[in-house]
Amino acid sequence: GAGVSQSPSNKVTEKGKDVELRCDPISGHTALYWYRQSLGQGLEFLIYFQGNSAPDKSGLPSDRFSAERTGGSVSTLTIQRTQQEDSAVYLCASSSSGLDIQYFGAGTRLSVL
Amino acid sequence: AQSVTQLDSQVPVFEEAPVELRCNYSSSVSVYLFWYVQYPNQGLQLLLKYLSGSTLVKGINGFEAEFNKSQTSFHLRKPSVHISDTAEYFCAVKNAGNNRKLIWGLGTSLAVNP
Repeated sequence: GAGVSQSPSNKVTEKGKDVELRCDPISGHTALYWYRQSLGQGLEFLIYFQGNSAPDKSGLPSDRFSAERTGGSVSTLTIQRTQQEDSAVYLCASSSSGLDIQYFGAGTRLSVL
Repeated sequence: AQSVTQLDSQVPVFEEAPVELRCNYSSSVSVYLFWYVQYPNQGLQLLLKYLSGSTLVKGINGFEAEFNKSQTSFHLRKPSVHISDTAEYFCAVKNAGNNRKLIWGLGTSLAVNP
């Protein structure tokens, strides 16, 4: 596609439910990143994929968070048993191997009630 | 470990005035530096980057930034701002040479008033 696509754009869920957030990177981009943007806390790195493998998962805040990437393309970020503190905008970015520019999607705004 | 400090959380300025948004970083290795802009209700957009070469880099919308290695700074400047420049501006750093995560500042909210 022309840009990084994320869905849904908004998600409202109840505390304790599981949610899945989807990211479709720019075609041909081998690297994919997930970030979280919270009010007053800026942007926080979650996980990085190179192809289908995740060499850096250091930013995942707890074992309730997981992510996968299949076919070197689409990635899904899953949050299990959501808590109110998970409310944030979840951003996905992709980049082409060898280049250092990350292109961002518009994000998914998650609200946990 | 790397870190980024954006010294001003909010910068109010009048239209057509000059502006400087400050960014300092700390790192023990060579870095690449970036400024991203986030307009209201929109995603992040790359404004400019420093990878190597000339320390003065020019970006979109008339913005420029200067990499100062001795002062570990990468301040963003524009000589004359417009109302449309009202947005959140983020400075970010990453290790040079590998395709890994960006470390972000907390952002500076630029409010351009008529």
